[in-house]
Amino acid sequence: DARVTQTPRHKVTEMGQEVTMRCQPILGHNTVFWYRQTMMQGLELLAYFRNRAPLDDSGMPKDRFSAEMPDATLATLKIQPSEPRDSAVYFCASGLLGGMNTEAFFGQGTRLTVV
Amino acid sequence: AQSVTQLDSHVSVSEGTPVLLRCNYSSSYSPSLFWYVQHPNKGLQLLLKYTSAATLVKGINGFEAEFKKSETSFHLTKPSAHMSDAAEYFCVVNAPAGTALIFGKGTTLSVSS
Repeated sequence: DARVTQTPRHKVTEMGQEVTMRCQPILGHNTVFWYRQTMMQGLELLAYFRNRAPLDDSGMPKDRFSAEMPDATLATLKIQPSEPRDSAVYFCASGLLGGMNTEAFFGQGTRLTVV
Repeated sequence: AQSVTQLDSHVSVSEGTPVLLRCNYSSSYSPSLFWYVQHPNKGLQLLLKYTSAATLVKGINGFEAEFKKSETSFHLTKPSAHMSDAAEYFCVVNAPAGTALIFGKGTTLSVSS
């Protein structure tokens, strides 16, 4: 059963520390998304990649956030330094987008708490 | 630019009664539209999608949605609510096709016995 896998599922860290979240997209999918979910803002798009190339990262605070796809099986989202306002659930999603294929499949999320 | 507006932040129904979750969209392109569901502390699951084929779309768990271009709406319905339907529901637009999914603010569905 193909699924998007995110690690870790939960992370508690102190303010100022570096946080790295990882995502394994579904094999063969060409598009990977990173979303952040908070009570106040709902689901916000942070960045997305097509064939490992960044297409849009305008939703991401550039000074502290970075997103990469070192290879087709791994996407990473890094926060350095982390701040309490970064506390949220971070979702990765992947899809084989193009033509009539438009949907994305979501991982279980990483719940980040910055204290 | 594209966007979606979910007209109700919270909907409460009794078990066995119909469900209606309302969504309006705005798009400069022919949109793809989706409904996703999120149960507490879980990820998001695709319920159904519209991609310019049939305007009445059937999804999982008895849900369906109708695309009405004249009204720019994509409301989600179910004839009879079940307790397990209690969750957060998101209306989503993807336009043009292949770009990022844009989420509405969500509607919390509560089902009472």
